[in-house]
Amino acid sequence: GAVVSQHPSRVICKSGTSVKIECRSLDFQATTMFWYRQFPKQSLMLMATSNEGSKATYEQGVEKDKFLINHASLTLSTLTVTSAHPEDSSFYICTVRTSGVTEAFFGQGTRLTVV
Amino acid sequence: GQNIDQPTEMTATEGAIVQINCTYQTSGFNGLFWYQQHAGEAPTFLSYNVLDGLEEKGRFSSFLSRSKGYSYLLLKELQMKDSASYLCAVMDSNYQLIWGAGTKLIIKP
Repeated sequence: GAVVSQHPSRVICKSGTSVKIECRSLDFQATTMFWYRQFPKQSLMLMATSNEGSKATYEQGVEKDKFLINHASLTLSTLTVTSAHPEDSSFYICTVRTSGVTEAFFGQGTRLTVV
Repeated sequence: GQNIDQPTEMTATEGAIVQINCTYQTSGFNGLFWYQQHAGEAPTFLSYNVLDGLEEKGRFSSFLSRSKGYSYLLLKELQMKDSASYLCAVMDSNYQLIWGAGTKLIIKP
């Protein structure tokens, strides 16, 4: 099956610094990538949708200047959490969809802890 | 608004059968998904239903009734490794996935 590689799996950073999370599709073209965050015992919350070569579409309430998304190629999308604060601590997951396939493929997720 | 409802937690016994229900109200419908998520891990795909009826895949089956906005995931011959959260998600008319909060399934020996 399709493989989506997301890293790092865990990261601890200091408040005020930036963290970059990568999401790669290893054996198919990721026409659309979705970034979610998940707080403990809560559902996945969509942050933004990105299509290759175009600007990401952010969900209401998500600061685009804080959560920078780049989808420069059909195999790579990055999420950069800028000037991280403790309240940004969460589980971030990328999801990939490709043309002609209904299923969404998940990356392994990134546990971000801001101290 | 869009809404996905599923029970917060369920408990079942090893070897038994459990049914996890999901009801939804969304703007449009392009299929319903069930995912399994172990603690600290990303969800993994279990099933996809877009037409009414039952889809069987090994020990897991998923049922859909579009007229009722209702689905269930049926797990048979429960094993301890089935202890996880089970997420119901609906793809709306914009092909966005709307997620339920998940049902935590606890399996007891």
